[in-house]
Amino acid sequence: KNEVEQSPQNLTAQEGEFITINCSYSVGISALHWLQQHPGGGIVSLFMLSSGKKKHGRLIATINIQEKHSSLHITASHPRDSAVYICAVRGGEHTGNQFYFGTGTSLTVIP
Amino acid sequence: ETGVTQTPRHLVMGMTNKKSLKCEQHLGHNAMYWYKQSAKKPLELMFVYNFKEQTENNSVPSRFSPECPNSSHLFLHLHTLQPEDSALYLCASSQDPYGSYEQFFGPGTRLTVL
Repeated sequence: KNEVEQSPQNLTAQEGEFITINCSYSVGISALHWLQQHPGGGIVSLFMLSSGKKKHGRLIATINIQEKHSSLHITASHPRDSAVYICAVRGGEHTGNQFYFGTGTSLTVIP
Repeated sequence: ETGVTQTPRHLVMGMTNKKSLKCEQHLGHNAMYWYKQSAKKPLELMFVYNFKEQTENNSVPSRFSPECPNSSHLFLHLHTLQPEDSALYLCASSQDPYGSYEQFFGPGTRLTVL
């Protein structure tokens, strides 16, 4: 079983829809990252969270440390948001500060 | 030039070849990383360097040999690879190796082993 589980694995949305991608993890963490990977392969870091909520443009990321859960929301989705979204966590000291990655959520936004 | 650059972008090699991947960051970061991304699998962290010192080696086979001559450059030397080593190899850098800061990724090297 992977230490980081994402859902859904695949998501298709109409342009303008509100999108939510979920990430659950099973280890104690020092930080959680949301990454975006476009078809060409390049990866961009969207957020780094250790608590609460962050917002950048149309993107919002939240984390609940007690429930070991994070969500990435995209408001007013656009075809250029089509990408794979990856959740990654940095385990705490008791895990040797290991990095764990989800398998990604593939998002397609249709015009 | 800014950000994280990787060369080459594509590489095809035979199992008996020796080749090297290069990564360079112009962000003044102290930590650099090598990742492997195979089809349908999560990103795999291979190596972490902090101030030129290797801090993590996640049970990577010895046919992959990293080198970090300074905090701006990172190499991955490849020899006697197997076809299953074909993947996208990504380099990244950040201010520290503990996941406390965002990572900046290079465009990757698409490696095919014949």
